[in-house]
Amino acid sequence: QKEVEQNSGPLSVPEGAIASLNCTYSDRGSQSFFWYRQYSGKSPELIMFIYSNGDKEDGRFTAQLNKASQYVSLLIRDSQPSDSATYLCAVNIAALNFGKGTSLLVTP
Amino acid sequence: GAGVSQSPSNKVTEKGKDVELRCDPISGHTALYWYRQSLGQGLEFLIYFQGNSAPDKSGLPSDRFSAERTGGSVSTLTIQRTQQEDSAVYLCASSLQIAGVVDTQYFGPGTRLTVL
Repeated sequence: QKEVEQNSGPLSVPEGAIASLNCTYSDRGSQSFFWYRQYSGKSPELIMFIYSNGDKEDGRFTAQLNKASQYVSLLIRDSQPSDSATYLCAVNIAALNFGKGTSLLVTP
Repeated sequence: GAGVSQSPSNKVTEKGKDVELRCDPISGHTALYWYRQSLGQGLEFLIYFQGNSAPDKSGLPSDRFSAERTGGSVSTLTIQRTQQEDSAVYLCASSLQIAGVVDTQYFGPGTRLTVL
């Protein structure tokens, strides 16, 4: 079983703070890593992907990948209440292998 | 442009009945995926179509589940003799799959299936 693990949360952060979401994976052959955001009752929407070790920034979002540690994270700077959602980590071999998601709550 | 569309958006059926779920991928996307998401669970891969290749059916939970993709575009997921544990949101995604480019999947709105 190729596992993708995330803390289910909820992770609660105050508005304006940095939210840090973490994900580990078991398959060392994994090549591409994705973060999706899913609002309640909605389908997942892609935030960003990363495939090289290090950081990748896109606006308020930064994805971090460490293949040696089999660890990928998502940082959300200046968190807003509208960021409150479930964040899904996914690992690509062919089809996506998803974690169960971390619920984020940003409090005003 | 138009995204992935799925129909119906909601389906309520009785245990033992067959259901068909439809997915229209983004135009030009060669890869199509089916996933399902049960209440409080992550997304579970079901089946993957890529161009004219044989589909990857490794995620189908039982032989009651099958899927087709006609003409490299529209796909239908069929569940025969539905069971209550089949109740879930069934999500379709598509992607462009260009060699050398990270493949990103875009999801449809899903079909919520309820088996009574």
